[in-house]
Amino acid sequence: SQQGEEDPQALSIQEGENATMNCSYKTSINNLQWYRQNSGRGLVHLILIRSNEREKHSGRLRVTLDTSKKSSSLLITASRAADTASYFCATDPLTSNTGKLIFGQGTTLQVKP
Amino acid sequence: DVKVTQSSRYLVKRTGEKVFLECVQDMDHENMFWYRQDPGLGLRLIYFSYDVKMKEKGDIPEGYSVSREKKERFSLILESASTNQTSMYLCASGLQNTEAFFGQGTRLTVV
Repeated sequence: SQQGEEDPQALSIQEGENATMNCSYKTSINNLQWYRQNSGRGLVHLILIRSNEREKHSGRLRVTLDTSKKSSSLLITASRAADTASYFCATDPLTSNTGKLIFGQGTTLQVKP
Repeated sequence: DVKVTQSSRYLVKRTGEKVFLECVQDMDHENMFWYRQDPGLGLRLIYFSYDVKMKEKGDIPEGYSVSREKKERFSLILESASTNQTSMYLCASGLQNTEAFFGQGTRLTVV
């Protein structure tokens, strides 16, 4: 069973708007990571947030983590057409102890120019 | 730069064939992963290896096996390919508690 579930499954916005994607997970984690995938390509790591962190920033990306609700959000500010991609959250379960990464189903983001 | 290389970008195999998908990483990572990606299902973990000769089943190991004889190489084996194994296969590597690096994927079609 997949650990993370993203919401919404698909998102369409205009360039310049902000995009927010959410991820919920089931069990306690060591860390949560966000990845991006352009069509037909491999995934690229965006940001990692550890279980003792609540918020992280990287450029136009802002990630929050609420371990009490077992949820995370990815905010992309001032979106660009080049941000069009699929975005996945991945969790490293606390029970794993080996760094296993479990992915969700992803959110497909379309940014219209 | 970290490089994760998958042996084939596209592959077409016949039902019943034994299929080997190879993945090589050049950063001395302990962890290596095989995922399959299908529309609407995201990435599902097939197998995970945390050291040479060490492996752990993921969510969908049925019909697959893996081999990790050397640290840099992680092979996914389809013992007898079936049409329902037509998919995009993604390999990744990383260290514990850090980011994973992905290969470009192998699109496998079983006919």
